[in-house]
This record gives sequence, C-alpha cells and structure tokens, in this order.
Amino acid sequence: GEDVEQSLFLSVREGDSSVINCTYTDSSSTYLYWYKQEPGAGLQLLTYIFSNMDMKQDQRLTVLLNKKDKHLSLRIADTQTGDSAIYFCAESKGTYKYIFGTGTRLKVLA
Amino acid sequence: GAVVSQHPSWVICKSGTSVKIECRSLDFQATTMFWYRQFPKQSLMLMATSNEGSKATYEQGVEKDKFLINHASLTLSTLTVTSAHPEDSSFYICSARPTSGRGLDEQFFGPGTRLTVL
Repeated sequence: GEDVEQSLFLSVREGDSSVINCTYTDSSSTYLYWYKQEPGAGLQLLTYIFSNMDMKQDQRLTVLLNKKDKHLSLRIADTQTGDSAIYFCAESKGTYKYIFGTGTRLKVLA
Repeated sequence: GAVVSQHPSWVICKSGTSVKIECRSLDFQATTMFWYRQFPKQSLMLMATSNEGSKATYEQGVEKDKFLINHASLTLSTLTVTSAHPEDSSFYICSARPTSGRGLDEQFFGPGTRLTVL
C-alpha cells in the first residue's frame, strides 16, 4: 500500500526538542521530505533526505532515516512557539508523485 | 525564487456554479503542476497531474469532468470545479515542478485556495 503514517499530535514546551515520526510502506521511495504547514497556508519545504542517507542535519533540524524499518523522523532542537504548525512527511519515487503522511500537529507551549 | 501563487485565496459560491482556480509559477517554468485537495485536519490528496500542452492525468476516484484542468502555458495551470456542490468545499493546493529541476524531485507549493460551496 501507499499509506504514510504519522502520530496526530505532539505537544512540547518551548526550548525542548520535538521529535516527529513517520512510517512509510514503500521501500522504493527515492526522496523523503518534511513539510511545514501553518494555518490556512500552503506547504513549506523544511528539509529532505535521499534514500541512501541515514541522517541529515540542517541547523535546528535533524532527519533520521531507518530504511530497514521504513521509519523517518524529524527532530527540531530548541523548539520555539513559531514552530507550532502541522508537519507532513512525504515520499516520492522519482516520478514526481508525492505521497503525504497524515500530518502531525505540533503545539509549542510557552 | 521558486514562488507559486494561487488565485483566488478563498472563494464562496452557490451550489451549481463553476469556480476556476489559477496556479502560477512566478519565477520559473513548470512543465508539470499538481493539484491537491485537503480536507480539514487531513492530509493532502493528489487529485491530478497537469502537464503543459497535454491532458491532465487524474488519480483514481477523481472525476475528470468535474475537475477540469488546463495547463496552457509553462507558468499557469487552472482547475475548474464544475457544478460545485457543498461536498466540494475544501482547501485546494497546487504545486509546480521546475522544468529545470535540481534532480531533487522537488515541488513548490502554492498557498492554497479555500473553496466554500453554499
């Protein structure tokens, strides 16, 4: 199947780290992405990882990929109130067709 | 760079009317654009892939006569919801893939159009 699963909600305190998890089913995916969606807005690409990588770090963001378990995670260090949004993981297979996860609503408490 | 706009941002229409939504790539050319639909608190579902100069490819379960797509230029794709009904109310998001891509399979997303059908 093409289901990409995420936990629905995550709540953290400002300054703590957030970890958002994603489980996908298609092992042939080429790229995996993390997008951020603020209320009433489109999607903003945060970061991506190529399927032959295990980890990628980009400032406060760290992406971990476990291909064996088909598990992708996004860690946000020093989470701020401005990070409150919905986060979507997505996979593609080089065909430009994205399969989006169910989305995780992150709430950052001041 | 890589900005995608949508117009209108939101629209309210009466049942039975048709609504056209525009998706433009402002600073790049896009041979391929995508139309997604997002229901409240749900994920994005791909409706169709729009290719410049050819017919759109619709996902399973999406009525092509209901959702007309035209991709007449390398910077513009339009989605027309024909004879709209309340169940068509949703957030419609387009994305565009640069013709001269980075090989990343990347898409740039528009800000979305909220359609409410009364």
